[in-house]
Amino acid sequence: SQQGEEDPQALSIQEGENATMNCSYKTSINNLQWYRQNSGRGLVHLILIRSNEREKHSGRLRVTLDTSKKSSSLLITASRAADTASYFCATGSNDYKLSFGAGTTVTVRA
Amino acid sequence: NAGVTQTPKFQVLKTGQSMTLQCAQDMNHEYMSWYRQDPGMGLRLIHYSVGAGITDQGEVPNGYNVSRSTTEDFPLRLLSAAPSQTSVYFCASSWQQNTGELFFGEGSRLTVL
Repeated sequence: SQQGEEDPQALSIQEGENATMNCSYKTSINNLQWYRQNSGRGLVHLILIRSNEREKHSGRLRVTLDTSKKSSSLLITASRAADTASYFCATGSNDYKLSFGAGTTVTVRA
Repeated sequence: NAGVTQTPKFQVLKTGQSMTLQCAQDMNHEYMSWYRQDPGMGLRLIHYSVGAGITDQGEVPNGYNVSRSTTEDFPLRLLSAAPSQTSVYFCASSWQQNTGELFFGEGSRLTVL
């Protein structure tokens, strides 16, 4: 069964706006990762945050992790048309299995 | 570096046929895995390997076999294809053995009639 669940399922924003999506999970983790998938392509790793970290930045991406609420958020600032993609959270535990959610589809309108 | 290479990109099978999806990586990663992606269900782990000669089951292993004779290659075998195995299959590898950053191939789209 899926460990992570993203919310919302779909998001449509204007170019230049910020996009925020959330991920909730059920059991304890040692890291949480976010991936991007462009239509018809493989997934690309964006960022990894460890369970002892609360916030991480990478370029226009900001990820937060709240282990007490078992949730994470991904913020994309100043969105561009090229950010149109599906975004997946994935949780890692000490069992060699990275578990993915169903994803959030983001559409950035010009 | 080519990264993770999957072949074929597209395949149509009839029910009961067998086939092998190939996956090769040139990054000397110990960890390799196979996922399937179905609409609305995200990615589900089929099998994984933490090194040559070592494989284990993921979330949805039934109907699939794997082997890992070399570090580079991790083929996925469907012994008797069923329509329920219609999906997009992704191979991924990692330099870390335990839930590190995954590098994905471009996917293999399989249709079973």
